[in-house]
Amino acid sequence: DAGVIQSPRHEVTEMGQEVTLRCKLISGHNSLFWYRQTMMRGLELLIYFNNNVPIDDSGMPEDRFSAKMPNASFSTLKIQPSEPRDSAVYFCASSSTGSSGNTIYFGEGSWLTVV
Amino acid sequence: AQSVTQLDSQVPVFEEAPVELRCNYSSSVSVYLFWYVQYPNQGLQLLLKYLSGSTLVKGINGFEAEFNKSQTSFHLRKPSVHISDTAEYFCAVTLSGTYKYIFGTGTRLKVLA
Repeated sequence: DAGVIQSPRHEVTEMGQEVTLRCKLISGHNSLFWYRQTMMRGLELLIYFNNNVPIDDSGMPEDRFSAKMPNASFSTLKIQPSEPRDSAVYFCASSSTGSSGNTIYFGEGSWLTVV
Repeated sequence: AQSVTQLDSQVPVFEEAPVELRCNYSSSVSVYLFWYVQYPNQGLQLLLKYLSGSTLVKGINGFEAEFNKSQTSFHLRKPSVHISDTAEYFCAVTLSGTYKYIFGTGTRLKVLA
């Protein structure tokens, strides 16, 4: 079975540009997580969707960040405008129910560098 | 609020030696506990998890962990490591009935030849 698929794997962009990260969930999963990983802050949960509905977006840093789930299998994370401090690895992860005790499956990450 | 502490940021160990990666958690209610591994330039993948039942949990690649409620610990062990075990290891906890995973800061295991 295909795992969580993220694109692009690597992105280098200039400050002020819009960045869109994409994620395809594992078939049959109905919960979606976006995480950000940096050396300074480790793994941070940005937003959590369940059945396409955003349940918890308290981790979204500021209004420059937005996430959508237009259908049950796909999500985007957008940063507009991007800033150098947004440089990080962004992980998408999915699970089958979103309740505790269920394994979350991570994609391989999108490595973002904003210069 | 719950939290996870991984006391060791880096652990160097020689190949075929045993290793223990430490994880302590803080919570006043029931928790589920996980260990994930992250190989270089990859995402995290599940090694093992404790939900209930036997406190000794076996995972993939020969790893195991023991849940100790009195010491609020969930240490990861492997009796004999390989070069290929070089990676970063994350302990995580969720509260029973919630979706939010709290990850530790990670322990970088470096296996030396």
